[in-house]
Amino acid sequence: EAQVTQNPRYLITVTGKKLTVTCSQNMNHEYMSWYRQDPGLGLRQIYYSMNVEVTDKGDVPEGYKVSRKEKRNFPLILESPSPNQTSLYFCASSLRQGLTEAFFGQGTRLTVV
Amino acid sequence: AQSVTQPDIHITVSEGASLELRCNYSYGATPYLFWYVQSPGQGLQLLLKYFSGDTLVQGIKGFEAEFKRSQSSFNLRKPSVHWSDAAEYFCAVGAPGNEKLTFGTGTRLTIIP
Repeated sequence: EAQVTQNPRYLITVTGKKLTVTCSQNMNHEYMSWYRQDPGLGLRQIYYSMNVEVTDKGDVPEGYKVSRKEKRNFPLILESPSPNQTSLYFCASSLRQGLTEAFFGQGTRLTVV
Repeated sequence: AQSVTQPDIHITVSEGASLELRCNYSYGATPYLFWYVQSPGQGLQLLLKYFSGDTLVQGIKGFEAEFKRSQSSFNLRKPSVHWSDAAEYFCAVGAPGNEKLTFGTGTRLTIIP
């Protein structure tokens, strides 16, 4: 089954404790991205990757890092989480952004206290 | 840069009634347009998309949308809603050659018996 898998689904952490949210897709898609969803703001792109070892900033990249060492994986790293990063995070992949459908993961609900 | 406006934050419709969700975009040329649906606790699922050609596009679950260049709109419609249509709906715009999908802030749909 074609899917995008995020882990964990729920995470509560403390300020400053590094964390990683994993994202994996099994569709051999080139393009992957991370979004955060906040009430009244919709989805905002954090980072995206057009292929292995090619990443770039989206609209709200501050406080986040990503890597793309393999085509299927695109982890999101918060080196020093802060409460303003409490949000719902989505990973998405597509054959090529802007032209083809984006497939979304189930989301990761992150709370930073 | 492209942008999307969904003017209705929340809409309530009776089951069996017709539905129209509004979406206005800003982009200098013909964009790629999408409607996604997010059911509670789920990721986003593509309902339909417009790239070119016929301005009336059909999607899944009985939804359709019409691209109107003169009004910069891409409104989503359904002739008769079902209780299972209760969800949040997002309009998104992608630009040819631009590796970015910009989302609106979403419209939450409530269905009453």
